[in-house]
Amino acid sequence: KNEVEQSPQNLTAQEGEFITINCSYSVGISALHWLQQHPGGGIVSLFMLSSGKKKHGRLIATINIQEKHSSLHITASHPRDSAVYICAVNGGATNKLIFGTGTLLAVQP
Amino acid sequence: KAGVTQTPRYLIKTRGQQVTLSCSPISGHRSVSWYQQTPGQGLQFLFEYFSETQRNKGNFPGRFSGRQFSNSRSEMNVSTLELGDSALYLCASSPRTGPETQYFGPGTRLLVL
Repeated sequence: KNEVEQSPQNLTAQEGEFITINCSYSVGISALHWLQQHPGGGIVSLFMLSSGKKKHGRLIATINIQEKHSSLHITASHPRDSAVYICAVNGGATNKLIFGTGTLLAVQP
Repeated sequence: KAGVTQTPRYLIKTRGQQVTLSCSPISGHRSVSWYQQTPGQGLQFLFEYFSETQRNKGNFPGRFSGRQFSNSRSEMNVSTLELGDSALYLCASSPRTGPETQYFGPGTRLLVL
């Protein structure tokens, strides 16, 4: 069993829909990251969080440490949000990341 | 500030050869981490360097090695290449060792024939 599990693996949405991607982990963590990867490979860090909730534009990330669960929400989705969204965790005081398998999101106009 | 740069961007090698990949972090960043991405295994951590010291190493054979220079630039080396080493190799930098937000380079795509 993977230490970091994401669901769903694939997600298709219509423009304007509210989207939720879930991440569960089984190890102790010092931080959780949400990353975005567009075709071609480039990875962008969206959020790093260790508690509570963070918001940036139309993106919201939450984490529940007790339940070992995090969610990434996209409000008013747009075709440019189409990408792979990856959850990753730090296990200690280093930058070593353990990754989930990613969620491929396609937002159709 | 310029972003993280990686060279070369694309590389084709044959089995048994060795390869060196280079990563220049964002100016002022002292931590550089390396990752391998393959369709089968996804993203996996290779190693992290901070202030020229290896902080952590992933579960990869000894053929994979790295180093960091005093200007924080980092190189990784893969010796005796195998077909399974074909992958996208990404480096990421941050100001300090973790946990920190990491800034990723565009990657080096290595094909081993």
